[in-house]
Amino acid sequence: QVQLQESGPGLVKPSETLSLTCIVSGGSISTYYWSWIRQSPGKGLEWIGFIFYTGSTSYNPSLQSRVTISLDTSKNQISVNLSSVTAADTAVYFCARAPTMTPGRGYFDVWGRGTLVTVFS
Amino acid sequence: QSALTQPASLSGSPGQSITISCTGTSSDVGSYNLVSWYQQHPGKAPKLMIYEGSKRPSGVSNRFSGSKSGNTASLTISGLQAEDEADYYCCSYTYNTTSWVFGGGTKLTV
Repeated sequence: QVQLQESGPGLVKPSETLSLTCIVSGGSISTYYWSWIRQSPGKGLEWIGFIFYTGSTSYNPSLQSRVTISLDTSKNQISVNLSSVTAADTAVYFCARAPTMTPGRGYFDVWGRGTLVTVFS
Repeated sequence: QSALTQPASLSGSPGQSITISCTGTSSDVGSYNLVSWYQQHPGKAPKLMIYEGSKRPSGVSNRFSGSKSGNTASLTISGLQAEDEADYYCCSYTYNTTSWVFGGGTKLTV
């Protein structure tokens, strides 16, 4: 059974870059899409972007100028970098697997437990 | 403000049925888009309950069903149980921004 585990600094200073890693265990990165999704305290979910195992990416237009998602197939891990963070980026960040991200048909079938990142000076 | 509109809260009694709506536009829910639904208990990760509009993943109770009419998708939970008390989110692709959007979430109280 595939499991996802996010990790990274719990505190990031304003204007710095938030960097998180998601390790995939019990399965391979291959043939799937891998997304990052965040949830601000007490708020709803926001899709950040995805990366396909081939390396192709797609990002939320509202974050596109600041976000980069990458993967390391040898380590079975996916990473996200979000630059120039502000307090508005404080959230629980989830890693999620998607069997497909075909427009109109995508969905997220496996989720990590999430990691809280607080932007705090 | 979320692109997809859900009621902020709903409540029901054990054994009853309840329907959570997710209203969008012709650019998302109303287009050729198949909505997915997620259940989230406090402090936990979201769990996929419905995908491609009406399909249930293995292990999800058949008390959960999905449908769509026009620009509104719906999640119906029949035979409500205490364990169904959670937040529920819908998700759809939107051609407006070529991205994935979630509803604001519905807090279900049983």
